[in-house]
Amino acid sequence: DSGVTQTPKHLITATGQRVTLRCSPRSGDLSVYWYQQSLDQGLQFLIQYYNGEERAKGNILERFSAQQFPDLHSELNLSSLELGDSALYFCASSPPVGGYTFGSGTRLTVV
Amino acid sequence: QKEVEQDPGPLSVPEGAIVSLNCTYSNSAFQYFMWYRQYSRKGPELLMYTYSSGNKEDGRFTAQVDKSSKYISLFIRDSQPSDSATYLCAMSANTGNQFYFGTGTSLTVIP
Repeated sequence: DSGVTQTPKHLITATGQRVTLRCSPRSGDLSVYWYQQSLDQGLQFLIQYYNGEERAKGNILERFSAQQFPDLHSELNLSSLELGDSALYFCASSPPVGGYTFGSGTRLTVV
Repeated sequence: QKEVEQDPGPLSVPEGAIVSLNCTYSNSAFQYFMWYRQYSRKGPELLMYTYSSGNKEDGRFTAQVDKSSKYISLFIRDSQPSDSATYLCAMSANTGNQFYFGTGTSLTVIP
């Protein structure tokens, strides 16, 4: 157990639907990062939050949004889902100094 | 030009071999470097975290950074079948900021 908790582990939904992925960072980590990993693709950075504030944005689609709550857990909302959104979605957290710790991911399948 | 370049392989070696994995980068501001191991669609696991140039050793793993050449390496000694995985490099200019990932090198260690 890495200490970063992601739920759900698996999600199957239809095109056009909306889903919410949840991440609880390691205790004490203020930064949360979201990444997308499609089949045979590398990790694509989506967005970073630090202590509730958005810090950096990557290749995140307008249909996607995220937030970090006062208890530091984060949610990634994906709407108007398309087949191409099927991927693994990883959350990672980090302390002020040190590397990322990843969660086990949410496997999203859009049918 | 991508921020981080990594040969995707695949790389196949016999058990006991020394493995060399490499990444190059273009941003001279990068000074924090990480190596991750990812087993088949699982969450990436942090192997090594280094700052600036030089070597760092942890068991069978050695991370090497050459900032003058913008080149980092991960060496695995006495490779084992359990080392078979995808290895990702990552780097950042500032701690607490977004890390840029390579696309990963797939390694198979043959018994």
